[in-house]
Order: sequence, then C-alpha cells, then structure tokens
Amino acid sequence: AQSVTQLGSHVSVSEGALVLLRCNYSSSVPPYLFWYVQYPNQGLQLLLKYTSAATLVKGINGFEAEFKKSETSFHLTKPSAHMSDAAEYFCAVSLLPQGAQKLVFGQGTRLTINP
Amino acid sequence: DAGVTQSPTHLIKTRGQQVTLRCSPKSGHDTVSWYQQALGQGPQFIFQYYEEEERQRGNFPDRFSGHQFPNYSSELNVNALLLGDSALYLCASSLRDGPHYEQYFGPGTRLTVT
Repeated sequence: AQSVTQLGSHVSVSEGALVLLRCNYSSSVPPYLFWYVQYPNQGLQLLLKYTSAATLVKGINGFEAEFKKSETSFHLTKPSAHMSDAAEYFCAVSLLPQGAQKLVFGQGTRLTINP
Repeated sequence: DAGVTQSPTHLIKTRGQQVTLRCSPKSGHDTVSWYQQALGQGPQFIFQYYEEEERQRGNFPDRFSGHQFPNYSSELNVNALLLGDSALYLCASSLRDGPHYEQYFGPGTRLTVT
C-alpha cells in the first residue's frame, strides 16, 4: 500500500528565505504525487502535481517540486518566502493518474513565515 | 464556474445522533470523494461515488454511508455519532476518465460532536 511521510510537522522561515518542505513516499508502483495547501478554515487547493512527465514540476504561487525516484522523494520548494505562504501543506500520493483514484495524504507541515 | 460547494459550513451534534452532509461537485465532474480531516491530521479517505454507486471505500465503519444523485451531487451520512467523529469533512470532485488528474476540494463542513 502506498504511504506518504512529511518530515517536520512545523517549519518556520524568514520572509525572503528559501522554503523547503519534505515529502517521502512509499509505493509499489510508479506514483502520482501532489502538493496541496490549506489556509485556515478553508479546503485544500492544489499547488502542483507530478504525473510521470517532467520530474521538475512548477506550480502556482512560485512553488516547485522535484520527483526523485532514487530517493522516493517529492520535496516542495520556493526560492523566496512571502508572508502569504503561511499555511498547512499536504503531500499526497495516488496510484493512478485518474482523478477517480483516492488520495493518501501525509500528516501535513505547518509553514510559518517570520517578518 | 462554481467550484465544489458543501453545506452546512458548521454543525454541532450530540453523541448518538445522525448527521447528513452535502456536496455539489465542480461543473462537469462526475465523481465525488469524501475525506475526514481530524484536527492536526491529514485528510483520510472515506469513500468515493461514481455513477451513483460506491466505488472505493477507506477504513471507516458502516456508520458512514453515502449517496450520489443523478446530478452528481452527494451526501455523507454518519449514524450513531461518536466524539471521535468530530472533524472537518471534505468533499472532492473529479472527472473519472478525463485528462486531468487532480481532485478539487470544497471548503469542508466542520462537525463537532458533544
């Protein structure tokens, strides 16, 4: 069965600093990977997705992630943090690309931005 | 184009009661999935409906049931509520055989069981 581990339940960075949120997955077959963001009292918004095309994926709001099969990782990065990036971030995996497949989520990482 | 909508926004129930949550999918989507997000946790898959049938189910007891209507909207029913059912319930819609891979989430219904 597939699973996702997010390293660090809470990450704090200064405004303008690099953001790095870590995600490792476990899957018996090539996975499809997603990063979602959740702002307080809201649902989940898709940041980016990996679906077996380019290994470096660019998403919204300046975020990107790189799929590394050898490391079973899909870490999320942003070169320069903005105050508006403060939110909860979830990495998720599904086995098949279709939207019909269930998502398995990590525990989430809360990102705090210091002024 | 309206996204995924859910109602109600908040709900307070007493242990042992029953609750029904509602979801309208994004226009053009035919599949609805439900997730439970406990405080401080990632969402957990409850079940998924397509063509008015439950197609996949997560590790949730039979107290959790659902329904999908011909217009693709969906309901989640929870019977005999427990304190541990307090959570944010998220609905996600998608197109089963479409070219897009992502699920679109609604804002959720916050259920509090007292």
